[in-house]
Amino acid sequence: SQQGEEDPQALSIQEGENATMNCSYKTSINNLQWYRQNSGRGLVHLILIRSNEREKHSGRLRVTLDTSKKSSSLLITASRAADTASYFCATGLIQGAQKLVFGQGTRLTINP
Amino acid sequence: GAVVSQHPSWVICKSGTSVKIECRSLDFQATTMFWYRQFPKQSLMLMATSNEGSKATYEQGVEKDKFLINHASLTLSTLTVTSAHPEDSSFYICSARTRGSPRTSGGYEQYFGPGTRLTVT
Repeated sequence: SQQGEEDPQALSIQEGENATMNCSYKTSINNLQWYRQNSGRGLVHLILIRSNEREKHSGRLRVTLDTSKKSSSLLITASRAADTASYFCATGLIQGAQKLVFGQGTRLTINP
Repeated sequence: GAVVSQHPSWVICKSGTSVKIECRSLDFQATTMFWYRQFPKQSLMLMATSNEGSKATYEQGVEKDKFLINHASLTLSTLTVTSAHPEDSSFYICSARTRGSPRTSGGYEQYFGPGTRLTVT
């Protein structure tokens, strides 16, 4: 069964704007990861945040994690047309820690 | 580094036939490989976890006799879809975890293959 719920399911914004995607999960985690998937392609790992971290940055990406609310957010600043893709959060659980459980994903469209 | 390949990238087969999909870690040894299935516009669903030299662990609801997984070496895992039916048409993605992945609170980073699109007619 899915662990994560992502919000929104689809997001369409203008190039240059910021895009924020949210992920909520149900059980305790070791880490939470964000991935990008272009249509019909494999997954690209974006960023991993550990359960004892609250915020992490990588280039134009900013990820937050609130374990008390069991939620995470991915912010993409100054969006580009090339950022158009589906974005998934995936949780590494405490039990069965080697497995990743994926959220439903957010389909992001950047309009030029 | 940490490249995972899949072969074939796409395959079309007739109902009732079997199809084998290969997943290879090209520049590292993968003690554990994972197989996922993804239906159009949906998320990835884990099918099974494959450890080198041992039997795969299947997720609930996944038929082990239909989806045969072999992980005979540290760089290769295969998924065979037996007696394929149109409802098996999907995007199959593998991932691999390296032996030397840094432990991050008990979690390991996974490296994903490009996926194999299976169409059963």
